[in-house]
Amino acid sequence: NAGVTQTPKFQVLKTGQSMTLQCAQDMNHEYMSWYRQDPGMGLRLIHYSVGAGITDQGEVPNGYNVSRSTTEDFPLRLLSAAPSQTSVYFCASTKGTIQGYTIYFGEGSWLTVV
Amino acid sequence: GIQVEQSPPDLILQEGANSTLRCNFSDSVNNLQWFHQNPWGQLINLFYIPSGTKQNGRLSATTVATERYSLLYISSSQTTDSGVYFCAVRVWNNNDMRFGAGTRLTVKP
Repeated sequence: NAGVTQTPKFQVLKTGQSMTLQCAQDMNHEYMSWYRQDPGMGLRLIHYSVGAGITDQGEVPNGYNVSRSTTEDFPLRLLSAAPSQTSVYFCASTKGTIQGYTIYFGEGSWLTVV
Repeated sequence: GIQVEQSPPDLILQEGANSTLRCNFSDSVNNLQWFHQNPWGQLINLFYIPSGTKQNGRLSATTVATERYSLLYISSSQTTDSGVYFCAVRVWNNNDMRFGAGTRLTVKP
């Protein structure tokens, strides 16, 4: 049981380049999300998905695109990288039960845009 | 949008001491969770606690939803408790989880 797997772990991009951060989970969770964490701050929600084929914007969606073709995968695309997108990115999936919710995070992807 | 404030921003303890971390939020919520981020960046979900009290070993949490705050208690702290503690909330009819800025805890041996 791998949980939530993110790749790559580290990436350096040049301004204007595009890239995709991959996220996969093997827990059959419907709800998945992407966050960014900037130094000294909490996480901010970029996009989320409540199931295959359904995505929506979070607090800071500009410059990012997502799709959800399967339950397992939720990639995050940077369309034209900017230095302001230098951050640590976390993918998460959420398990919901009658007892409540548990969020499982990936290990993070450190992205630097130069 | 909802505001989430955590206090104190930094806390330094000796091993064995107890501590209380606070999370204030500005609106009614249907979801409140506490997380621990270890010094290597790994995030662990500690509690789902939109109201009431829960305990898990040396950690416990209480949320008073009517007064819009939650407390995380750490007893007999250990060096492995070091890291940043975040609370996050979600308001009704909204899937956006909002995080506080965190409390950075350092436990010294």
